[in-house]
Amino acid sequence: DAKTTQPPSMDCAEGRAANLPCNHSTISGNEYVYWYRQIHSQGPQYIIHGLKNNETNEMASLIITEDRKSSTLILPHATLRDTAVYYCIVRSNDYKLSFGAGTTVTVRA
Amino acid sequence: ETGVTQSPTHLIKTRGQQVTLRCSSQSGHNTVSWYQQALGQGPQFIFQYYREEENGRGNFPPRFSGLQFPNYSSELNVNALELDDSALYLCASSFPGLAGVTEQYFGPGTRLTVT
Repeated sequence: DAKTTQPPSMDCAEGRAANLPCNHSTISGNEYVYWYRQIHSQGPQYIIHGLKNNETNEMASLIITEDRKSSTLILPHATLRDTAVYYCIVRSNDYKLSFGAGTTVTVRA
Repeated sequence: ETGVTQSPTHLIKTRGQQVTLRCSSQSGHNTVSWYQQALGQGPQFIFQYYREEENGRGNFPPRFSGLQFPNYSSELNVNALELDDSALYLCASSFPGLAGVTEQYFGPGTRLTVT
């Protein structure tokens, strides 16, 4: 699976949009971009995934650049409960998720 | 809530002992994956079971073994426990989609402490 690069941490104001970047310059054509988050001491929670089109669900939006070398997860209206570690994962038609260090997002009131 | 349950929640064992952790998958999911998460790190893939067979394995020694039962629940067994086995053990269930890629839903984990 291709490697991903994320900033180690970022702050966000409550009620504002949080934009979480992820670089995956070695991504190949059959690899998907997945996002998970992990709130302290809980299991990771699936957020969203995409191949090349932008995706939106009730939790977030995923914007993938045209060359697919990077993506952005957008939390449209961050709340204090969105404070978590966010993992960007590139995954092929494979059985495992390869987690990196992720981005620690702190939402401040 | 994902519908994936794990037991026990916490466990303390002594070095050299053996431990069994249990996982019940979400209804309708026939695939279970196990991950180890050391403090301050991301989860690391241990292995996956699909229809009672091991379907892939990460870089873990043979003393980490597993089982999947006909109802798709699963066990993770660790023999000869070492201090470095202290971690949060996560179970995730999934159902392979048409493209073979699908999201995995995680349980709350079992916190294992080896002394």
